Amino acid sequence: DTGVSQNPRHKITKRGQNVTFRCDPISEHNRLYWYRQTLGQGPEFLTYFQNEAQLEKSRLLSDRFSAERPKGSFSTLEIQRTEQGDSAMYLCASNRDSNYGYTFGSGTRLTVV
Amino acid sequence: AQSVTQPDIHITVSEGASLELRCNYSYGATPYLFWYVQSPGQGLQLLLKYFSGDTLVQGIKGFEAEFKRSQSSFNLRKPSVHWSDAAEYFCAVGERTGTASKLTFGTGTRLQVTL
Repeated sequence: DTGVSQNPRHKITKRGQNVTFRCDPISEHNRLYWYRQTLGQGPEFLTYFQNEAQLEKSRLLSDRFSAERPKGSFSTLEIQRTEQGDSAMYLCASNRDSNYGYTFGSGTRLTVV
Repeated sequence: AQSVTQPDIHITVSEGASLELRCNYSYGATPYLFWYVQSPGQGLQLLLKYFSGDTLVQGIKGFEAEFKRSQSSFNLRKPSVHWSDAAEYFCAVGERTGTASKLTFGTGTRLQVTL
């Protein structure tokens, strides 16, 4: 069990550029979650996958955001045309089913300049 | 909609003193309840969780929490704080649905430990 891995750890991008983050969950976990955390706040739910199916998306996830989990293993989160308001820590988490707490990754910190 | 309130933004305690972090939740039924800890620049680590049964739950690092339905509370406690406990603590409530375990987090309590 190597934990949940997120890459990159830090990303600085210019406003208007596209960025993509990757999350590798714990191998036997079929559920994968993306959260966003801004400074001084708790994490906010963005989206959730069970295997390769994206089952729920938050209203926070505008049409500039897209997430995929093509083979039910790793997941990517893409932000198109980044805005300064997208600056945040993007956290990925996974679990086996709803009876377990999540295991979180260390996050990707995005700074849009 | 579910919500979580952590009324204390910042708490300072002396090393060796006892600690209680408050958490109040709003949820229509018996919730899943969690406490997570986050060190600066890091992800969140699960300290403990409550799903059902005994209302006093034990977690890692010597932490415990008590679920009180009548007060809609799930306060975190530790009898003797260590300097390494300095971090941000988040309480969260999870939906009891068949397809998701989406968590709603509070805004966190930052714990400072003085020597």
